[in-house]
Amino acid sequence: GENVEQHPSTLSVQEGDSAVIKCTYSDSASNYFPWYKQELGKRPQLIIDIRSNVGEKKDQRIAVTLNKTAKHFSLHITETQPEDSAVYFCAASPANSGNTPLVFGKGTRLSVIA
Amino acid sequence: EAGVVQSPRYKIIEKKQPVAFWCNPISGHNTLYWYRQNLGQGPELLIRYENEEAVDDSQLPKDRFSAERLKGVDSTLKIQPAELGDSAVYLCASSLVGVSGYTFGSGTRLTVV
Repeated sequence: GENVEQHPSTLSVQEGDSAVIKCTYSDSASNYFPWYKQELGKRPQLIIDIRSNVGEKKDQRIAVTLNKTAKHFSLHITETQPEDSAVYFCAASPANSGNTPLVFGKGTRLSVIA
Repeated sequence: EAGVVQSPRYKIIEKKQPVAFWCNPISGHNTLYWYRQNLGQGPELLIRYENEEAVDDSQLPKDRFSAERLKGVDSTLKIQPAELGDSAVYLCASSLVGVSGYTFGSGTRLTVV
């Protein structure tokens, strides 16, 4: 089955700097890759996703890149703000539709220092 | 839209006792998932329902865990008897066929003492 590895486990950046979180996956059939943000004590919330037919997607300060050949994808947050502090999870799904189980990475705890 | 509703939010029980969690998915979402999230880890799938049918329960510890989704709407997850290692947050999520991503509920934080 699918296995998703996520790095780093913790990341501290100064406010205004960029943050990059990387994930690798094992199943070449995976073609849907969402990212979730989870604040302390709250539910995971989808912040951005990408499908395998594109290499990059951007939404304001957040971008995701995908390299299907190398089987890795990354989350980029620019101009970080203290409210970006949270745990971020990547995930992968080996299907085109969004209702097949996601396999999650172990998470990255991002701290943005003001 | 009310979102995915879970109850209770918190539960503390003694080991060997039974416990049940309830989930009400977003109206119209035919797919429902139960995930377990251990402290400092990502969510791990326990079971997935398509309407009232459990289509993926390979990760559900069937000796003590059970789940049901009557009428393809609400779902309950039960543990009997609970063990210390069951302490975790139990997340419910739902999705609509062909729509990307899940919507998660707020979860039930279970502590077994």
